[in-house]
Amino acid sequence: GDSVTQTEGQVTVSESKSLIINCTYSATSIAYPNLFWYVRYPGEGLQLLLKVITAGQKGSSRGFEATYNKETTSFHLQKASVQESDSAVYYCALSDHVGFASALTFGSGTKVIVLP
Amino acid sequence: EAGVTQSPRYAVLQEGQAVSFWCDPISGHDTLYWYQQPRDQGPQLLVYFRDEAVIDNSQLPSDRFSAVRPKGTNSTLKIQSAKQGDTATYLCASSLTGGGDTQYFGPGTRLLVL
Repeated sequence: GDSVTQTEGQVTVSESKSLIINCTYSATSIAYPNLFWYVRYPGEGLQLLLKVITAGQKGSSRGFEATYNKETTSFHLQKASVQESDSAVYYCALSDHVGFASALTFGSGTKVIVLP
Repeated sequence: EAGVTQSPRYAVLQEGQAVSFWCDPISGHDTLYWYQQPRDQGPQLLVYFRDEAVIDNSQLPSDRFSAVRPKGTNSTLKIQSAKQGDTATYLCASSLTGGGDTQYFGPGTRLLVL
């Protein structure tokens, strides 16, 4: 089946420093799945941060960027300068978009703590 | 536009008890998903519907879990005879076919089985 791997369970970074959260995927039913980053801020529900549906393309939102790399099957999330408000749990996900609807396969999540 | 709503927000049960979770998707969204999220893990699909039809329930423990969406709008997820291993947050999400695969999530129901 499909799988998404996030190797870091928690990352601590100081404000204004750069951040990278690693994500690799494996999709068995389709060559080029749709890729997503979802985020849960403290006290809030899960929400979409960004998505990329075309291999080789980059998505961006709220200062975050992620590039769909089909060669390395990766979709790392990066931000050049984090703020305390970026403290949250970030989830990488894929959908195989087979048929007219498809569910998401999520990674285990990376908790980001930004220190003032 | 109202988001996905879920109730109750919290539930505490003894093993063997039953519980039902309710979800109201975003108006007009034809696809509805139920995910289970154990602590410190990512959400895992249980079942999803397009309109009132079940598309995939292969991950739903059918001996104790059931889910319905009778009119293609609201949905109910029920656990008969809960076990401690069912302790998790239950998330409902909805999407619109042709909407680019974006799912919108509700706040979740946190279940604790003692």
